[in-house]
Amino acid sequence: KQEVTQIPAALSVPEGENLVLNCSFTDSAIYNLQWFRQDPGKGLTSLLLIQSSQREQTSGRLNASLDKSSGRSTLYIAASQPGDSATYLCAVPSYGQNFVFGPGTRLSVLP
Amino acid sequence: GAGVSQSPRYKVAKRGQDVALRCDPISGHVSLFWYQQALGQGPEFLTYFQNEAQLDKSGLPSDRFFAERPEGSVSTLKIQRTQQEDSAVYLCASSSEAAMNTEAFFGQGTRLTVV
Repeated sequence: KQEVTQIPAALSVPEGENLVLNCSFTDSAIYNLQWFRQDPGKGLTSLLLIQSSQREQTSGRLNASLDKSSGRSTLYIAASQPGDSATYLCAVPSYGQNFVFGPGTRLSVLP
Repeated sequence: GAGVSQSPRYKVAKRGQDVALRCDPISGHVSLFWYQQALGQGPEFLTYFQNEAQLDKSGLPSDRFFAERPEGSVSTLKIQRTQQEDSAVYLCASSSEAAMNTEAFFGQGTRLTVV
């Protein structure tokens, strides 16, 4: 059974810092890995999708890497801003046709 | 529509009441998923549709939960005889293909509170 963990559970940084969020998964036989952002009381917004054949994806200040063999992905956020404050979730497809999510990292960027 | 739409956004139900939650996926999307998210946790899979076929309902927590997508578009998640432990945010997602290498798009969710 696929299990996904995320470290740290919560993170508080001053504005302008570069930061790294970590995601680990137990079964490396994945099609892809997707990073999402969730604001309080809202749904999930897709940030980046990395296919299993890729090693990284970039979108603006976000960069996500994928190492299937070690079962890990990192989300790098450059020059963090208060507007980046949210919960960040990673998800991988599991057996069948559904996603398994990690518990999320709650990020606070202080002005 | 431009995105996945869910209604209602908020629902308060008395224990024992039946509720119905609606999901309008992105037009033309083949795959539709329902997830349950408890406070402070990641979403947990409930069920999956490919067009009108419910291919996986392994995540439904009990036989009080029922989902349908009769015409392969709009989906309804029904919870009968609601219990307090059903209180959660219910998220719907859709993707354009049946394959798992496509991006999933989520709605805003329905926050269900059972009192």
